[in-house]
Amino acid sequence: QLQLQESGPGLVKPSETLSLTCTVSGGSISNNNYHWGWVRQPPGKGLEWIGSIYYLGNTYYNPSLKSRVTMSVDTSKNQFSLKLSSVTAADTAVYYCASLIEGVAGYSWGQGTLVTVSS
Amino acid sequence: QSALTQPRSVSGSPGQSVTISCTGTSSDVGGYNYVSWYQHHPGKAPKLMIYDVSKRPSGVPDRFSGSKSGNTASLTISGLQADDEADYYCCSFAGSSTSYVFGTGTKVTVL
Repeated sequence: QLQLQESGPGLVKPSETLSLTCTVSGGSISNNNYHWGWVRQPPGKGLEWIGSIYYLGNTYYNPSLKSRVTMSVDTSKNQFSLKLSSVTAADTAVYYCASLIEGVAGYSWGQGTLVTVSS
Repeated sequence: QSALTQPRSVSGSPGQSVTISCTGTSSDVGGYNYVSWYQHHPGKAPKLMIYDVSKRPSGVPDRFSGSKSGNTASLTISGLQADDEADYYCCSFAGSSTSYVFGTGTKVTVL
């Protein structure tokens, strides 16, 4: 049973870069059946797919966020990461990491972490 | 990339059935048999309830069923229970450049 856990700062200043890490346990991040992704939910709003990454480094990003998003994988630590640059208050959200299988944006999910963008 | 359209809310009494629609386009819902549904209780992680339009992951009751016709997918919850009260989101694959798009979300209320 895969378990995922997000970690990172809960407060980021406007114009800075949001950085989150997801630690995977109960399985290998190098499992070729999975991709690894991020989804967010702004307060009072719905879920938004941010993007995903394969353990070999192939990335797929939401076109609306593509210019600001970078994802990476650290197979030695069984972790993957999200960086979102030039954040504004509109990026305040609960950020979830998730495992993906073919055609499924979220097979297993982390508990989520609230990131607030504020000075 | 526009969010898939869902009704804002649906409600039903215990034991009844409710159906949630999810309308997209031929570029997402209509173009792929990759529609999934998620149950989301506030403050908790979303839970996969249906994938590949109509498949249930292990452990999901058969009271939950999915279907698709054209550009619209549907989730039906039969034998509504109190614990089914939650937000539900559909999601569709939308091609390799866009990848995934979520629905606007539907609040299910058990009366």
